[in-house]
Amino acid sequence: SYVLTQPPSVSVAPGKTARITCGGDSLESKSVYWYQHKPGQAPVLVISYDTDRPSGIPERFSGSNSGNTATLTISRVEAGDEADYYCKVWDVTSDHDVVFGGGTKLTVL
Amino acid sequence: EVQLVESGGGLVQPGGSLRLSCAASGFTFSSYWMHWVRQAPGKGLVWVSRSNKEGSDTTYADSVKGRFTISRDNAKSTVQLQMHSLRAEDTAVYYCVRGGDGYNSPLLNWGQGTLVTVSS
Repeated sequence: SYVLTQPPSVSVAPGKTARITCGGDSLESKSVYWYQHKPGQAPVLVISYDTDRPSGIPERFSGSNSGNTATLTISRVEAGDEADYYCKVWDVTSDHDVVFGGGTKLTVL
Repeated sequence: EVQLVESGGGLVQPGGSLRLSCAASGFTFSSYWMHWVRQAPGKGLVWVSRSNKEGSDTTYADSVKGRFTISRDNAKSTVQLQMHSLRAEDTAVYYCVRGGDGYNSPLLNWGQGTLVTVSS
């Protein structure tokens, strides 16, 4: 089945830019979605179809997808952005419809 | 406002069964795929199962195939996850998730989750 690889953790100072990567074979041929998950809360969709930002998500959040790597970029990081972030794709080549990356813990220093 | 409210979690012995339910509101339930996603303690999100709009097409993660069954009642705007032969590794918070209207669509809204603990 398809595998998505994320770094376990990323740390960034407030006001700086955080970049969280998601790697997969020929990932650019798939649409990548990103979810933010804070402890005790429901996960929230922050990026759809590689680059689209749902209504209500700050412009500071952006996405890209090229080659084998997708990237979630958070500009001007705030303390409230500290969370786990997961990338996700659909793997329609098998019955494993939805595949998540292992998640990345974003720590705001 | 979209709301997804899970129920039915709890403590169950290994080999036992449990039925999770999710009550949906705030959207036209019959127009969306529905999913279950789980998160074991200290671990990441793992997709479990999904149903198409009609409930006629369902898929499962390998880890639960043959033990779990997803079903939905569009008249009542509910989706269920029947779980049998539960194992310790099924211990997790289970989230009910509204998908899009087909393949390659986002997981739009998530419930707060219900905790399932499999232990003797």
